Amino acid sequence: NAGVTQTPKFRILKIGQSMTLQCTQDMNHNYMYWYRQDPGMGLKLIYYSVGAGITDKGEVPNGYNVSRSTTEDFPLRLELAAPSQTSVYFCASSYTGQLAYEQYFGPGTRLTVT
Amino acid sequence: AQKITQTQPGMFVQEKEAVTLDCTYDTSDQSYGLFWYKQPSSGEMIFLIYQGSYDEQNATEGRYSLNFQKARKSANLVISASQLGDSAMYFCAMRDLSGGSNYKLTFGKGTLLTVNP
Repeated sequence: NAGVTQTPKFRILKIGQSMTLQCTQDMNHNYMYWYRQDPGMGLKLIYYSVGAGITDKGEVPNGYNVSRSTTEDFPLRLELAAPSQTSVYFCASSYTGQLAYEQYFGPGTRLTVT
Repeated sequence: AQKITQTQPGMFVQEKEAVTLDCTYDTSDQSYGLFWYKQPSSGEMIFLIYQGSYDEQNATEGRYSLNFQKARKSANLVISASQLGDSAMYFCAMRDLSGGSNYKLTFGKGTLLTVNP
């Protein structure tokens, strides 16, 4: 039972570098989300997707981009990494509809930008 | 806009005792869901319990129960018979269920629970 998988688990970037955080779910969920968790804080939504080909901004989208070409994959792209993007990134997915209340989270990616 | 407030940065409890973690929320939505997640030191987010705004009975899941007081806008988590493995960060979260396309969760800042032997 893979659920939501994220790669890599850890990454150190230099300022100005770019990278893609990978997220894959095998539960056939239409909804997928990217959150970031700063030290001592709760999670904040970066981007979300309600289905393949559809994405939208969350609370803190600046400096990030996403794409959703398939139901399974929802990669998060960081362009021109900055120290403020040092955080733990969580991908999540859920069923569609109002009855879909539980979000399933991946294990997280710990990113450090120096 | 939705807001979740967890006023207890840290809590201590003796093993086998019960503990209540506070959560208050603010929303103008009529239909919403309230969640509790556990985050152990390993970092993963573990779903614990869910309460819908129209649910008449408080939710229970094993040793977890949610003390839902709609008029006070509170959704406190009660953990009975605490175990050492309950030591973790606990997050309260909320989601709008009114039918909009954004099903995002709004999180509180969390409460760090330490269970003492």
